[in-house]
Amino acid sequence: AQSVAQPEDQVNVAEGNPLTVKCTYSVSGNPYLFWYVQYPNRGLQFLLKYITGDNLVKGSYGFEAEFNKSQTSFHLKKPSALVSDSALYFCAVRDIQRGGGNKLTFGTGTQLKVEL
Amino acid sequence: KAGVTQTPRYLIKTRGQQVTLSCSPISGHRSVSWYQQTPGQGLQFLFEYFSETQRNKGNFPGRFSGRQFSNSRSEMNVSTLELGDSALYLCASSPPGTGGTEAFFGQGTRLTVV
Repeated sequence: AQSVAQPEDQVNVAEGNPLTVKCTYSVSGNPYLFWYVQYPNRGLQFLLKYITGDNLVKGSYGFEAEFNKSQTSFHLKKPSALVSDSALYFCAVRDIQRGGGNKLTFGTGTQLKVEL
Repeated sequence: KAGVTQTPRYLIKTRGQQVTLSCSPISGHRSVSWYQQTPGQGLQFLFEYFSETQRNKGNFPGRFSGRQFSNSRSEMNVSTLELGDSALYLCASSPPGTGGTEAFFGQGTRLTVV
């Protein structure tokens, strides 16, 4: 089965500093990887995805992620953090099902806190 | 284009009761998936419907069921509610032709079982 791991429950960063939220994956075959963000009492908002191609993926709100096959990682990054980036971030992998279909397996989430 | 709409947003039910949650996908999307989010278990896949057929199912007891209508709207039902069913239930829809590479989530229904 496909899985992703987010080793940090919380990441604290000062506004203006670069941020990294870590994710590692375990898949059979080629991975379809995603990052989502969740604000309090809200659903998930799509940030970016890696399917194939360039290892550096650019997404919404200035976020980007680097796919590293040798390290089986897909870390989320932003060059300059904003207080408004404070939220819960989820890494996910598309879980390939025998009959096809759209099932995502999520990591446990990382709470990002950006302080002034 | 309207997003994924889930109703109701909040719900309080008593143990033993049943509940039905509704999800209207983005127009043109035929795949609808349901997820349960709890502090202890995180985000867990419940099931997916495509063209009125259940295509995938997660590891939840039979008390959890769903269906999809011809207009792609979906409902999920939980019978004989337990305290542990208290959660945020999220619905996601996916457009055709993307091979599951895009999922758009609704704001969720917060279910509290007392």
